[in-house]
Amino acid sequence: AQSVTQLDSQVPVFEEAPVELRCNYSSSVSVYLFWYVQYPNQGLQLLLKYLSGSTLVESINGFEAEFNKSQTSFHLRKPSVHISDTAEYFCAVKNRQAGTALIFGKGTTLSVSS
Amino acid sequence: DTAVSQTPKYLVTQMGNDKSIKCEQNLGHDTMYWYKQDSKKFLKIMFSYNNKELIINETVPNRFSPKSPDKAHLNLHINSLELGDSAVYFCASSQDSSGKQYFGPGTRLTVL
Repeated sequence: AQSVTQLDSQVPVFEEAPVELRCNYSSSVSVYLFWYVQYPNQGLQLLLKYLSGSTLVESINGFEAEFNKSQTSFHLRKPSVHISDTAEYFCAVKNRQAGTALIFGKGTTLSVSS
Repeated sequence: DTAVSQTPKYLVTQMGNDKSIKCEQNLGHDTMYWYKQDSKKFLKIMFSYNNKELIINETVPNRFSPKSPDKAHLNLHINSLELGDSAVYFCASSQDSSGKQYFGPGTRLTVL
């Protein structure tokens, strides 16, 4: 079984400040790792994913996450946030076996203000 | 074209009623899912179908019955609706074991 812990339920930051959203996971098997973003009143969009290879993965809008196997973490970072980054961010894990579902953390609300 | 679509987007109904939510994906994916997002925004898997066959059935009341007429559709029927069923229900699909899932826009169900 897998579980995901997002350590911060809410993260308020000012525009252009750096941000880190923390995610730790627990699993007895190898997993894939994901960050999804949910903008207000919308569905979920994949932000980035770690499947294998380089432990640092990047998204097209400036976010990055680093897989740390020893600490079982997959923290999300952005060096300078915009107001448009205000959203709910979900960390998720998935058993590498086909047909298994995503296990989500409880989400972190990122609020960016000017 | 929308990759994963759901209808309706909003559904308001009385306790005790039976309702259905429909999901369609035009991505050619083999696997489809239903997730429930509660009022605290917590997302949890309910069901998963692969090529019309049920492969995941989490601890969900048997009032919820998924139906997959073909691999592009996964509908969710709910009998005897209860107040606690109020939530946003998301459909998703994926093709391979890597896990990238495409989500629909969600259906906000409100039971009065």
